[in-house]
Amino acid sequence: DAGITQSPRHKVTETGTPVTLRCHQTENHRYMYWYRQDPGHGLRLIHYSYGVKDTDKGEVSDGYSVSRSKTEDFLLTLESATSSQTSVYFCAISGQGINEAFFGQGTRLTVV
Amino acid sequence: AQSVTQLDSQVPVFEEAPVELRCNYSSSVSVYLFWYVQYPNQGLQLLLKYLSGSTLVKGINGFEAEFNKSQTSFHLRKPSVHISDTAEYFCAVSPLNTDKLIFGTGTRLQVFP
Repeated sequence: DAGITQSPRHKVTETGTPVTLRCHQTENHRYMYWYRQDPGHGLRLIHYSYGVKDTDKGEVSDGYSVSRSKTEDFLLTLESATSSQTSVYFCAISGQGINEAFFGQGTRLTVV
Repeated sequence: AQSVTQLDSQVPVFEEAPVELRCNYSSSVSVYLFWYVQYPNQGLQLLLKYLSGSTLVKGINGFEAEFNKSQTSFHLRKPSVHISDTAEYFCAVSPLNTDKLIFGTGTRLQVFP
């Protein structure tokens, strides 16, 4: 695998609590992405980053925020988790745009 | 806007048989095309991609795909599958100059002995 680490790998949290997922890379790639994977929907882009402190929304960004204070880390925050945010979350990185994207192992989040 | 349609949610096939996984896309601009594979409990791995040039693209593990612009398709094929090919396969497009990937809903390939 490319040097991508997602943490935690599994999390169960209660409705209304804040949750932060971390994506860490050792490749010094410019682009980082957060996707969620749900049955019947494939993968959908939540937010992405094209540099430190440069982020933009994807197609399902409501209820999520992101931060990238340094090249290697891209944080996804659920400000107040809801059951609809139960999903598997994937981070991806790319040095040359999406044409060379590598995916992390995923984080399984359950909101009860 | 772009969209990707994977026509089959599940494809059962016997070992050593050929397989085709279908992918059609819709886009008003030119796109790059990708196939990813996801093995159980793992992330996505790039199988192959079409950026330009020859419309027949060869990827890893014996897979290939053909870009058909007139039919807006990018079907994935393998002449003889193995048990180890059992996985979920995702077709994706990226509109040029957007740095975004838009995925289809996936096709689960189940290979039986």
